[in-house]
Amino acid sequence: SQTIHQWPATLVQPVGSPLSLECTVEGTSNPNLYWYRQAAGRGLQLLFYSVGIGQISSEVPQNLSASRPQDRQFILSSKKLLLSDSGFYLCAWRSTGGVAYEQYFGPGTRLTVT
Amino acid sequence: QKEVEQNSGPLSVPEGAIASLNCTYSDRVSQSFFWYRQYSGKSPELIMSIYSNGDKEDGRFTAQLNKASQYVSLLIRDSQPSDSATYLCAVNTRNFNKFYFGSGTKLNVKP
Repeated sequence: SQTIHQWPATLVQPVGSPLSLECTVEGTSNPNLYWYRQAAGRGLQLLFYSVGIGQISSEVPQNLSASRPQDRQFILSSKKLLLSDSGFYLCAWRSTGGVAYEQYFGPGTRLTVT
Repeated sequence: QKEVEQNSGPLSVPEGAIASLNCTYSDRVSQSFFWYRQYSGKSPELIMSIYSNGDKEDGRFTAQLNKASQYVSLLIRDSQPSDSATYLCAVNTRNFNKFYFGSGTKLNVKP
C-alpha cells in the first residue's frame, strides 16, 4: 500500500529564517506530487505541483520554491520566511497509472512564523 | 468566480439524521469530483470520488453528481457525532493534474 510522509510535524521559525519541508511517498512510482497551504480556518491553496523529477509548476508567486530531486521526494523551501507564510502545509500525491485521479494527503506540517 | 463553491456552514444536524452537503463548480468540462473529510488539526481524508452522473454509495455516504447543473453533493445517513468535521469538495478540470478545492462546509452532529 502507499504511504506518504511529511516532516517535521510542527515547526516554529523566526521571520527571515530559511525553510525546508520534505515529503516522501512509498509504494508507488512516478506519482504526481503537490504542495498545498491551508491558513487557519481557510481552504486549501495549491502552491506547486510536479508531474516528474525536476518538473515543477508554480501556482502562486511568492517567496517559496519547490524541488523534486527524486521520483518520490518533494521539497518545499524558502530563503526568508514571512509572517504570512504561517499555515498548515500539506503534501499530496496522485497515481498516474490507470484511470483513477484520486489525490491523497500526508499528515501535514504546521508552520508558525514568529 | 471561484472554481468550486461550498456553503461554509456550520451545518448542524441531530444524531441519526441525514446530513446534506452541497458543492457547485464553474468549469463545465470538469471530469472528476471528490469529497474529503478534515477533522480539526488534521489533514484531509478522501471519503468519496465520483466521475459519472448519478449516485454513488459507500456505506453511510452517498455522492451525487449532476453535470448539467454543475453540482455535486454528499449525503451522510445516520449521522454520528464522529462525523463532525469540515467537508471539502474538490474538482479536476481541464488539467487533470490540478485539483480545485472549495473552502469547506463545517458539519456539527449533535448527540
